[in-house]
Amino acid sequence: EIMLTQSPGTLSLSPGERATLSCRASQSVSSSSLAWYQQKPGQAPRLLIYGASSRATGIPDRFSGSGSGTDFTLTISRLEPEDFAVYYCQHYGTLAPHTFGQGTKLEIK
Amino acid sequence: QVQLVQSGAEVREPGASVKVSCKASGYTFSYYYMHWVRQAPGQGLEWMGIIHTNSGSTSYAQKFQGRVTMTRDTSTSTVYMELSSLRSEDTAVYYCARGGAVSKRQWGYFEYWGQGTLLTVSS
Repeated sequence: EIMLTQSPGTLSLSPGERATLSCRASQSVSSSSLAWYQQKPGQAPRLLIYGASSRATGIPDRFSGSGSGTDFTLTISRLEPEDFAVYYCQHYGTLAPHTFGQGTKLEIK
Repeated sequence: QVQLVQSGAEVREPGASVKVSCKASGYTFSYYYMHWVRQAPGQGLEWMGIIHTNSGSTSYAQKFQGRVTMTRDTSTSTVYMELSSLRSEDTAVYYCARGGAVSKRQWGYFEYWGQGTLLTVSS
């Protein structure tokens, strides 16, 4: 089973700054099988990125995903107040168990 | 619009079972896989398993093998997740989430989620 490790565990930034979140897989994964989610307290997760770099419907273009192999990145170009939340990466292999990273908490500095 | 509406909060004693429902609307139910994910208090997301809504076939995470059963009722566009032999560590919010298209045989990512069902296991 593929393990995903996210870093940092907590990221403290100010609105307007750039956020870079990392997700590292224990073995190489297909770029078409990597997603990112945002979760706010008391809410279900929200899909941001699928296929490593494709934005989901309605997601602002300040969110972007990149990476391949074992290293993937979620970038938020200019943080808005509503972006402070927990972010998870997910591997969704073909007909294989799904796995999530442990999450990165993005907090206001 | 796609909606997944789950049943309400549950409280169970250790050793009991619980069955959570997830009613889908706004799309053709049998065209997409459905997954179950749980989240313990203050913890991350944990994938539990998947059900093929057309055939009813299932695949479960190894951790839950033997304790979880996922079923569906195509007449009401509802999927169910039953978890047995409950213990305190099963206290969590349980989510259903729509996966990929069954025609593509892609379990897929989760664009749509239910609102979550809180299960509390306590004596």
